Amino acid sequence: SQQGEEDPQALSIQEGENATMNCSYKTSINNLQWYRQNSGRGLVHLILIRSNEREKHSGRLRVTLDTSKKSSSLLITASRAADTASYFCATDEWGAQKLVFGQGTRLTINP
Amino acid sequence: EAGVTQFPSHSVIEKGQTVTLRCDPISGHDNLYWYRRVMGKEIKFLLHFVKESKQDESGMPNNRFLAERTGGTYSTLKVQPAELEDSGVYFCASSQDREQYFGPGTRLTVT
Repeated sequence: SQQGEEDPQALSIQEGENATMNCSYKTSINNLQWYRQNSGRGLVHLILIRSNEREKHSGRLRVTLDTSKKSSSLLITASRAADTASYFCATDEWGAQKLVFGQGTRLTINP
Repeated sequence: EAGVTQFPSHSVIEKGQTVTLRCDPISGHDNLYWYRRVMGKEIKFLLHFVKESKQDESGMPNNRFLAERTGGTYSTLKVQPAELEDSGVYFCASSQDREQYFGPGTRLTVT
């Protein structure tokens, strides 16, 4: 079965810098979604990119998708302390709506 | 608009006891999903309702887990009898299209 795998597992940067997280998966997908989870809280939906899209922007977020390499990246520009959280990618296959999550990237923004 | 809500936020029970988790989806969302994250592992799909029907229950770990969605509104997930390995965070999500919106989760601790 497919599984999203995030890279790196943990990332620590200074406030104001850009943060890039990567996700790889194994099978053909319909969509890929990115979520954020603040400590002890629920998952917040950030962005969805469809398999026929290559790039998508939302505020300070930029997501790319390369279906030939089965990979996606999430870029957060001008990071803020409030961006400290775990970030997960999740994929769904054609014909199925269940999401398959990776282990996540723990992002720490240092003031 | 209210988001997905879950009750309780935290439950501590002894091995062998029964626990029932509740999820209220976003109003009007036909799709309701249950996921869980056990310690140190990735978030995993349990099952998917479309209105009151079980569309996909391939992720249910065993017959100690019973999910219902009577009337196609809120859903319950019962664990009976609970085992130590059931400890984790149980998430509910709802969607009308492909974007799934998650609740804050119920942290279940089985002692």
